[in-house]
Amino acid sequence: QKEVEQNSGPLSVPEGAIASLNCTYSDRGSQSFFWYRQYSGKSPELIMSIYSNGDKEDGRFTAQLNKASQYVSLLIRDSQPSDSATYLCAVNHSFGNEKLTFGTGTRLTIIP
Amino acid sequence: EPEVTQTPSHQVTQMGQEVILRCVPISNHLYFYWYRQILGQKVEFLVSFYNNEISEKSEIFDDQFSVERPDGSNFTLKIRSTKLEDSAMYFCASITSGASYEQYFGPGTRLTVT
Repeated sequence: QKEVEQNSGPLSVPEGAIASLNCTYSDRGSQSFFWYRQYSGKSPELIMSIYSNGDKEDGRFTAQLNKASQYVSLLIRDSQPSDSATYLCAVNHSFGNEKLTFGTGTRLTIIP
Repeated sequence: EPEVTQTPSHQVTQMGQEVILRCVPISNHLYFYWYRQILGQKVEFLVSFYNNEISEKSEIFDDQFSVERPDGSNFTLKIRSTKLEDSAMYFCASITSGASYEQYFGPGTRLTVT
């Protein structure tokens, strides 16, 4: 069973601070990794994808991948109240068009 | 920016009834997916579809479920005889071929089985 694990939270972060979200996965052969944001009652919204070890930055978001340790993280700089949501880690077990396996998500609350 | 669309946004049905959930993927996308999310639980894969046939299906996707692409735009999920436990959000997603593996999700259909 290929698992994706996340701390369910809630994670509370002051406005303007850095929020750090973590995810581990069990399938060592996994190749593609994604972070989605999901507001309550809404669909997952893609934030970042990462395929290679290291960091990938997009605006206030940085995704980090360490395949040897089988973890992916997402950093949100200068956190805003609008960042309050559940963040889903998703893993594709190949470079391809296969299904995504999701974690349970981490609920993030930004405190004004 | 092109989006995945889904109809209806909310469907209420009685146990044992058939429902059809509809999706219009992004126009140049070739791979289509259905996922579901039971309230408070994680997003679960149901089925993937490419070149007019199922590529992969999960254990959830039993004989009560079917998918088809009846024309060049719509992608449908049919549940033949709904059960109470089918109550969930159903999301359609699509992906283009090529170097991007990013799946884009539609807004979802909330299915309530009573």
